Order: sequence, then structure tokens, then C-alpha cells
Amino acid sequence: GQQLNQSPQSMFIQEGEDVSMNCTSSSIFNTWLWYKQEPGEGPVLLIALYKAGELTSNGRLTAQFGITRKDSFLNISASIPSDVGIYFCAGPLNNAGGTSYGKLTFGQGTILTVHP
Amino acid sequence: EPEVTQTPSHQVTQMGQEVILRCVPISNHLYFYWYRQILGQKVEFLVSFYNNEISEKSEIFDDQFSVERPDGSNFTLKIRSTKLEDSAMYFCASSDDGFQPQHFGDGTRLSIL
Repeated sequence: GQQLNQSPQSMFIQEGEDVSMNCTSSSIFNTWLWYKQEPGEGPVLLIALYKAGELTSNGRLTAQFGITRKDSFLNISASIPSDVGIYFCAGPLNNAGGTSYGKLTFGQGTILTVHP
Repeated sequence: EPEVTQTPSHQVTQMGQEVILRCVPISNHLYFYWYRQILGQKVEFLVSFYNNEISEKSEIFDDQFSVERPDGSNFTLKIRSTKLEDSAMYFCASSDDGFQPQHFGDGTRLSIL
């Protein structure tokens, strides 16, 4: 089945540092989604990317859809303690004839710890 | 902002018992999903539901699982005879059409004893 590989698995950084994480796949995705999960909560959508090469920002977060459509990265600038959590990339399984959001495949997540 | 709500937040059940996990999707959404996350692992797709029927299900979603939309607001996941390995967080998600990102609830932690 489709696999999404995220790296790094975990990061320990100081407050104020920039963070970069990425997600790769052996399959082509037409859409990339980045979610954040905090303890005891469900995944919260951060950024959605819809076409190859697209670069999208949401506050201090920036994500890019790789031109090969097999990868994406997420950057967090000037990290703060509340950035702590698990960051997941996810992509929809493409149905024949078009893109739909049916089944989402998730990466295994990057655990981010920010030290004050 | 509208959100997906799930109840209960934690369910403890004896092995072999039936459980029903409940979800209220965002009100104008038409596509509904269940996912599960075993402790320390990634989120895994279980089933998608649209127009009062299952549109897709994973290998995990065997005959012990069923979903239902009993009224205009609730979406339920039933596990008929629970096993120890069913212990996990179960997340409900919804989207307003098949082309928009899914929004997730905060999950139900299911513990099977």
C-alpha cells in the first residue's frame, strides 16, 4: 500500500530556532496535508497543498509541495513552546478519474519538543 | 469554528463486549470517516461513509465493525465483540465534500480489558 515516510522521527530544539521536517512517498500524491496532534487531541489541519511546486504559509508555518509530487516539507520559523506536538503529513488515496479525499494515508509523524 | 465532537472521551470495556463510539460531524458535512491510532503509532484509516453507505473500508474494518448514521447528526462506530488489540484512539472525521480536507474530532480512547 501507499507509504508516507517522515523525517526526522523526533526533534529537540530550543525556543526561537527554526524547524524543518519532510515527508516522502514512493507514490505520487495530488494533494499534501499537514496536521498537528497535541496530547489527548485529534489531528488539526495546518496546511493543505494542492499542486506541485506550491508554497503555502500559515503564520510561522510554511509548507511546500515537491515538484515530483512525491514529497513535501514543513518549516516552522522562530519556534515557541506551544509548537510542541506530533506533526503528520497525510495524503488522499486517488480514485480513478480524479482526486478525492476518501482515504487519508498518514506518515508516522515527527515529534517536536521545544525547550524554553 | 465548527468542530467534530466525539463521545465518550474514554471507554473501558471487557473483552468480548460490544462498544459504540459516537460522533457528531460538522453540520453541513456530507463525508464521514473513522480512523484509529494505536498508542505510539500512526493514524490508520478504517472506513469512509457517504450518502448512507460505506464508500471504502480498510482491512482492519472486518465483520466485527459497523458504522451507522442513525439520524441527521450522529455517526457511530460499533465493534461487536471487542478484542484486546482493539485498544486504541478512535478518531471521527468529516469533510463537506470529497475534495476538501477532513476535520478530526478529539477521539475516543478505547481500552479493552
